[in-house]
Amino acid sequence: QVQLQESGPGLVKPSETLSLTCTVSGGSISSYYWTWIRQPPGKGLEWIGYIYKSGNTNYNPSLKSRVTISVDMSKDQFSLKLTSVTAADTAVYYCARAGTIGSPGEFDYWGQGTLVTVSS
Amino acid sequence: DIQMTQSPSSLFASVGDRVTITCRASQSISRFLNWYQQKPGKAPKLLVYAASSLQSGAPSRVTGSGSGTDFTLTISSLQPEDFATYYCQQSYSTPLTFGGGTTVEIK
Repeated sequence: QVQLQESGPGLVKPSETLSLTCTVSGGSISSYYWTWIRQPPGKGLEWIGYIYKSGNTNYNPSLKSRVTISVDMSKDQFSLKLTSVTAADTAVYYCARAGTIGSPGEFDYWGQGTLVTVSS
Repeated sequence: DIQMTQSPSSLFASVGDRVTITCRASQSISRFLNWYQQKPGKAPKLLVYAASSLQSGAPSRVTGSGSGTDFTLTISSLQPEDFATYYCQQSYSTPLTFGGGTTVEIK
């Protein structure tokens, strides 16, 4: 059974960098689209971007200048970095997997989510 | 970006009711439309992909339909575990986008 688990600081200061890691177990990280999605408290879902086959990335243009997604296959982990954060980046951050049917858009496995609050 | 609009934003229903949620895309997305269920404090769960394909483990009382710009999710006989928020999401083009959600509440 595939499992994803997010980890990282729950509190980040404004203007600093948010860094999260997603650890994948029960399946290979060498395939699929490994994705980050966020959800501000009480609001809807926003796709941040994905990494595919260790190097190909695709980011939401609304965040592209501040986002980096990378993968460490030796540790079965992928990571999110979001720079210059503001209060608007406060959200539950989910990692997810897509690609079971060959496309990056159907998220069939999700982490439990981690709340990141941006505050001084 | 493709905008996804869901209606209604919330509805009240009783156990056993038939419930229909609508999702409209701002341009044609063929059948690249997925539905998720989210319960409070939990991650979303994929219910339907490619407009009408039921994800493994999703209950058979859930059906998806539509193509182009208009899609529906129907729950034929609402069960207690179905009270949740439902999101549509287009996978036609990036950035991938979600609808605003429909909350199904107990009448």
